[in-house]
Amino acid sequence: GESVGLHLPTLSVQEGDNSIINCAYSNSASDYFIWYKQESGKGPQFIIDIRSNMDKRQGQRVTVLLNKTVKHLSLQIAATQPGDSAVYFCAEPGTSYGKLTFGQGTILTVHP
Amino acid sequence: NAGVMQNPRHLVRRRGQEARLRCSPVKGHSHVYWYRQLPEEGLKFMVYLQKENIIDESGMPKERFSAEFPKEGPSILRIQQVVRGDSAAYFCASSPSLEAGELFFGEGSRLTVL
Repeated sequence: GESVGLHLPTLSVQEGDNSIINCAYSNSASDYFIWYKQESGKGPQFIIDIRSNMDKRQGQRVTVLLNKTVKHLSLQIAATQPGDSAVYFCAEPGTSYGKLTFGQGTILTVHP
Repeated sequence: NAGVMQNPRHLVRRRGQEARLRCSPVKGHSHVYWYRQLPEEGLKFMVYLQKENIIDESGMPKERFSAEFPKEGPSILRIQQVVRGDSAAYFCASSPSLEAGELFFGEGSRLTVL
């Protein structure tokens, strides 16, 4: 489900560290999840997706883990770079793939 | 997010004026979605359109807001008699089909109401 707030969770890491960003959802029937990256002043950019018949999916430097038991997914970014600094959102579709419900978002700051 | 063009990128309006935001989807995409993002919040779905049809407007405020996607030309999000609470970033996204799992977002239009 979605939640909103004035202060987003933040994560600060050093360049080269691994980052883990978490997201909880409420609908146990959800079967598809997407992670988006939004840089300052820009639109969201697709990172990776996962269907509920999987518990792990890997991309280039990113891995998404899905734990359906506790309704939790995470985005892992390996060897985080300054260019990874952005707000990261998890999202799930509703009645159509384009009708997304976005999570709260996490601000990732990577220090050189 | 390649190919979705939104304009204007920044728009300033006084209370009571009208705001028109335009979105040209990726070439060949027939599904257009509008989202609104308030500061430090996630994007909120507003409306889903296909050519000449509004498919789902469940996220649109009941008054003052309207959207269209004509047979020719861009999709338009229109806000009449703007109020300060309308100040936000408005994003358009497109997809090629109902089955596509990836939306292409534009860079957004940032509306400021004075």
